[in-house]
Amino acid sequence: DGGITQSPKYLFRKEGQNVTLSCEQNLNHDAMYWYRQDPGQGLRLIYYSQIVNDFQKGDIAEGYSVSREKKESFPLTVTSAQKNPTAFYLCASAPLQFGYSNEQFFGPGTRLTVL
Amino acid sequence: SQQGEEDPQALSIQEGENATMNCSYKTSINNLQWYRQNSGRGLVHLILIRSNEREKHSGRLRVTLDTSKKSSSLLITASRAADTASYFCATDTGRRALTFGSGTRLQVQP
Repeated sequence: DGGITQSPKYLFRKEGQNVTLSCEQNLNHDAMYWYRQDPGQGLRLIYYSQIVNDFQKGDIAEGYSVSREKKESFPLTVTSAQKNPTAFYLCASAPLQFGYSNEQFFGPGTRLTVL
Repeated sequence: SQQGEEDPQALSIQEGENATMNCSYKTSINNLQWYRQNSGRGLVHLILIRSNEREKHSGRLRVTLDTSKKSSSLLITASRAADTASYFCATDTGRRALTFGSGTRLQVQP
């Protein structure tokens, strides 16, 4: 089955802890994205990557870090520097097309709660 | 404010009625996409319309794009209770990532 998976589904973090959210895809997509969604809001872009070992900051990158060591994987670390991390985190992937953005395929999301 | 903003923020209709959602944006686009999100789930792509297209259909969905007014509309015909979800527009402005609006919450009453 082709798709994009995120784990865990629910994650609880204590103040001052770093946590890492997993995102894996087997769609052979070059581009991967991380979004944050707050209750009743739209999606805000945290980071994106179009090729292995390269990534760019999105609109709200402060307090987050990513890596892209493999094409299939794009983990997101929420660091202690992120002051308000409680949110729903969505990962997406898309085929890379020169000049424009294709449709994105989304994972099921990880709900992070800070205790 | 965001590049894409949907209107209305919430919409409640009866099964069988049509639902229309609007999206306005600020800068020029390559394409505009509509996504659906069921509560607590990931987004699902519905339809993509390119900047040189004016209308597109997919099943019960009809999307229009007016680049002169920087606006798009999504029409769902003969709605069903299963259409209850949030609907988001997303614009491709050439920065290699989409910009999402804040969404319209659609409630279809059986």
